[in-house]
Amino acid sequence: KQEVTQIPAALSVPEGENLVLNCSFTDSAIYNLQWFRQDPGKGLTSLLLIQSSQREQTSGRLNASLDKSSGRSTLYIAASQPGDSATYLCAAYGSSNTGKLIFGQGTTLQVKP
Amino acid sequence: GAGVSQSPSNKVTEKGKDVELRCDPISGHTALYWYRQRLGQGLEFLIYFQGNSAPDKSGLPSDRFSAERTGESVSTLTIQRTQQEDSAVYLCASSSERVETQYFGPGTRLLVL
Repeated sequence: KQEVTQIPAALSVPEGENLVLNCSFTDSAIYNLQWFRQDPGKGLTSLLLIQSSQREQTSGRLNASLDKSSGRSTLYIAASQPGDSATYLCAAYGSSNTGKLIFGQGTTLQVKP
Repeated sequence: GAGVSQSPSNKVTEKGKDVELRCDPISGHTALYWYRQRLGQGLEFLIYFQGNSAPDKSGLPSDRFSAERTGESVSTLTIQRTQQEDSAVYLCASSSERVETQYFGPGTRLLVL
């Protein structure tokens, strides 16, 4: 059974810092992996999708990597801003046969001005 | 529309009543998903539709929960005889294919008194 874990559960950094959020999964036979952002009281916003054949994806100040052999993904945020404050979720597709996403518990990030 | 929409945005009901939650996916998206997020907990997968069929219903917590999709578009999640533990945010997502980027709606907040 696939399980997804995110560490740390919460993180507070000063504005301008580069930071890394970690995601680990128990079954290396994942298909794709997706990172989301969730703002309080709102739905999820997709940030990056890494396909199983890829090792990383970049969008602006965000870079996500995927290492299936070690069961890890990281989300790197460069030059953090107060507007980056949110909960970040990673989610894995268990296989190509279903669209079921298995979510981690999330990392709540606070970027202080 | 431009994104996934859900209605109602909030629903308060009494224990034992039935509720219907609606999801309008992004036009043309063949895959549709329902998830649930209880207060302070992670997202749980409920059901996945490909077209009007539901090949994965493994997340429905009991037979009080059912869902249907018509016209490869709108989906309705029905909860019969609601219980207090059904209180949660119910999120709908859609994607162009089953393992591609999922786009989430704003959710329906359900409170069962």
